[in-house]
Amino acid sequence: DGGITQSPKYLFRKEGQNVTLSCEQNLNHDAMYWYRQDPGQGLRLIYYSQIVNDFQKGDIAEGYSVSREKKESFPLTVTSAQKNPTAFYLCASSARRAGEGGNNEQFFGPGTRLTVL
Amino acid sequence: DAKTTQPTSMDCAEGRAANLPCNHSTISGNEYVYWYRQIHSQGPQYIIHGLKNNETNEMASLIITEDRKSSTLILPHATLRDTAVYYCIVRRPYNQGGKLIFGQGTELSVKP
Repeated sequence: DGGITQSPKYLFRKEGQNVTLSCEQNLNHDAMYWYRQDPGQGLRLIYYSQIVNDFQKGDIAEGYSVSREKKESFPLTVTSAQKNPTAFYLCASSARRAGEGGNNEQFFGPGTRLTVL
Repeated sequence: DAKTTQPTSMDCAEGRAANLPCNHSTISGNEYVYWYRQIHSQGPQYIIHGLKNNETNEMASLIITEDRKSSTLILPHATLRDTAVYYCIVRRPYNQGGKLIFGQGTELSVKP
C-alpha cells in the first residue's frame, strides 16, 4: 500500500522534554509538510521541504525543528522551547514541489496527537 | 495572502445536494482554489481544485464565479459519511512557494 504513515498515533511527554514525531511516505513525493491543528481550528504550517536536504519555515516554526535526510522521511522535533506543544500534528506530502504550477494535491497522514503533561 | 471566508456550519439532508460557499475576494490571477475535507481526528482529504473553469470529479463539483471572487463546492447527493469540516483554500502563487493556507472551514452536518 502506498501512503503516508505517522507514528505513534498518541504521544505523551513531560513538560521540558524534546520529542520527535515520525513521518514516512512511500509515494515518491518530492515535497513534505508539517502542520499543527488545535481544537476547533484549521491547520497551520510549521515547516515544509521541497527537496532532500532542504526545508523552509512555515508560519509557526518557533520551537520546532526538522530534517530531510531522505526523500521518504521528514521527522519533526518538538523542542522544550515550544510554549504550547499539546496539539494534533499532521504530516503531508505532494508530488510536485510547492512552487510549481498545476495540481498541488497534498496527501495527509493519520496524524499524531501529542499531549504534554 | 488571499484569504477565504466560509460559513462556520451548515446542515444538509441526506440525499440532497450540499452547496458550500466560499468567498475569496482578494484572490490573485494565478492562484488556485482548492477544497479539502477533514473527518474528525483524521488527516484532511483532497476533494477538488480549479483555477477559472468549473470542475467536476467523482466526489464533487466546483463552481467558480467569472470574477473568481467566490466559489461553491457541490456534493450532489450528500450521505452521512460526508459529515466533515470542509476547507476552501487559495494556494499561494509560484514565487511564494505555493503552500496551502487552511482557514477555519465549514462544518457540514448531513442529517438523515
